[in-house]
Amino acid sequence: QAVVTQEPSLTVSPGGTVTLTCGSSTGAVTSGHYPYWFQQKPGQAPRTLIYETNNKHSWTPARFSASLLGGKAALTLSGAQPEDDAEYYCFLSYSGVVVFGGGTKLTVL
Amino acid sequence: EVQLVESGGGLVQPGGSLRLSCAASRFAFSSYYMHWVRQVPGKGLVWVSRINIDGSGTTYADSVKGRFTISRDNAKNTLYLQMNSLRAEDTAVYYCASFKSGYWGQGTLVTVSS
Repeated sequence: QAVVTQEPSLTVSPGGTVTLTCGSSTGAVTSGHYPYWFQQKPGQAPRTLIYETNNKHSWTPARFSASLLGGKAALTLSGAQPEDDAEYYCFLSYSGVVVFGGGTKLTVL
Repeated sequence: EVQLVESGGGLVQPGGSLRLSCAASRFAFSSYYMHWVRQVPGKGLVWVSRINIDGSGTTYADSVKGRFTISRDNAKNTLYLQMNSLRAEDTAVYYCASFKSGYWGQGTLVTVSS
């Protein structure tokens, strides 16, 4: 089974910019892996931020954007807010089998 | 407001069975693939299974293949997960989710222990 990799932890200053990445053990991530991004805060269910590479939901703050970058899926947060302090997960789809990354703990400090 | 409400979790002995349900409301349930995802408290998300729109196609994580069965009843707007031959390592909060629409349930805790 493929392994999806994320940075274990990142720190960003309030108002700053940070990019989280999502890589695949099978090679470059493409749109065919349908990358998704989720945010989860302690004690809460996950919340979907991005679907199918770079599409936002109505509730996704404009400061979040996503793309494919350097063979990985990427989630960029521009203008970090204290409420963005959370765990972020990506997943990739491999012919219908979904594999989550291990998550990135983003600290806004 | 869209709601996905899981039920059926609880304490079960190793080797036992449970059936989880996920009731959808104010949501175009029959238009979306549905998934089950689990999470050990304090750990990461793990995908469990997926079912297509009409229930004719399913996929499973290797860790549950042959033990778990996903199904749906579009007339009742309900998703199911039949879990058999449960193991201690199946202990987790189980979420139902429609990834593309963006909606998740709040989760139901399954504990496998003697």
